[in-house]
Amino acid sequence: ETGVTQTPRHLVMGMTNKKSLKCEQHLGHNAMYWYKQSAKKPLELMFVYNFKEQTENNSVPSRFSPECPNSSHLFLHLHTLQPEDSALYLCASSQGYRTSGTPGQFFGPGTRLTVL
Amino acid sequence: GENVEQHPSTLSVQEGDSAVIKCTYSDSASNYFPWYKQELGKRPQLIIDIRSNVGEKKDQRIAVTLNKTAKHFSLHITETQPEDSAVYFCAASNLDSSYKLIFGSGTRLLVRP
Repeated sequence: ETGVTQTPRHLVMGMTNKKSLKCEQHLGHNAMYWYKQSAKKPLELMFVYNFKEQTENNSVPSRFSPECPNSSHLFLHLHTLQPEDSALYLCASSQGYRTSGTPGQFFGPGTRLTVL
Repeated sequence: GENVEQHPSTLSVQEGDSAVIKCTYSDSASNYFPWYKQELGKRPQLIIDIRSNVGEKKDQRIAVTLNKTAKHFSLHITETQPEDSAVYFCAASNLDSSYKLIFGSGTRLLVRP
């Protein structure tokens, strides 16, 4: 349960605020992911990083800005969000693409975000 | 684009009965199919996965079957217990292009004691 950690676990922010979500993995993985989970779309992929390089941006609005400084850390910077952005934001990690490891993704506990 | 459909959206079974959840995928190049269990308020957890070179995989009370021709795969849980109650997600990926997972919409399983 401690392989992938996320902070904060809960966040309430106004539409004009700027905040950041943090994810850290201790599994020796090289790929990291951001997902949005809401009642409308249960598990929606947002971004993929493989060996610190962004390999997928699933048409995410620019008010969400990811950052991956190294293979163990992933951030999601938030600014000028809308109430419909309220959701659970999940981070996951896996072995890097084109490595010999298992492709299974392991999730963090998520950050419950509420935008007022 | 790639799509994974999952049925049913909700499933209620009596304790001890079997439960089956089915998924279909659209990308014929998909070759990796994991299943995740998400209990209320918790993170999704990988419970079993199968690659396209295998037709069936079993782990104690859970098993997954794959029909590549029909492009569908299923999760089977036997001798269900109340602690099996959760939301189950199927997913598909083409490991030859990326490790990106396309998830189904989830099945809420309720096991009645």
